[in-house]
Amino acid sequence: TQLLEQSPQFLSIQEGENLTVYCNSSSVFSSLQWYRQEPGEGPVLLVTVVTGGEVKKLKRLTFQFGDARKDSSLHITAAQPGDTGLYLCAGARQGAQKLVFGQGTRLTINP
Amino acid sequence: DTAVSQTPKYLVTQMGNDKSIKCEQNLGHDTMYWYKQDSKKFLKIMFSYNNKELIINETVPNRFSPKSPDKAHLNLHINSLELGDSAVYFCASSQVILAGGGEQYFGPGTRLTVT
Repeated sequence: TQLLEQSPQFLSIQEGENLTVYCNSSSVFSSLQWYRQEPGEGPVLLVTVVTGGEVKKLKRLTFQFGDARKDSSLHITAAQPGDTGLYLCAGARQGAQKLVFGQGTRLTINP
Repeated sequence: DTAVSQTPKYLVTQMGNDKSIKCEQNLGHDTMYWYKQDSKKFLKIMFSYNNKELIINETVPNRFSPKSPDKAHLNLHINSLELGDSAVYFCASSQVILAGGGEQYFGPGTRLTVT
């Protein structure tokens, strides 16, 4: 059983469309991170959210941490081919010294 | 300058062999990690070290032995390789032991294929 469940696992859409990726858990996290990983490379941190209800924006990407700190979402507006990649959410539980990762969402933006 | 580097990038070897993967970070971080990413892209922590001290050993078979000669290096030695060890192994580092959201910097990965 995954501690963090991401959905959808695969998403292929056309350039210009909007999309939302979800990261859900039954556990409470003290912080949650989103990473993007491109083929042949390691994950790169996009954002960290730490407060319930927090919203952070990174250009066309909007990240939200759920009020109860059990879930998060990533919304991309007007997706571009450069957004293609594997998106990973990762959470740190209170007092834990490690991250647990979701299984990832493989996003493909078609020109 | 590469922040976290790993060598080799690719490693193909036969079952039963022993191999090592090296990792170096030039970020001045105190904590380093080894992760395993399987064919389904699931990323799971194996080990973490803080200032050369083992902090996390995530029930990894004892055929895997990490070694940290100094806080900038964390190497992974694998004995008696098995088919199931085939995966991409990532080294990472962070400034803190992940207390509330420290950023982790990942290396480019080492793709290990055991035949």
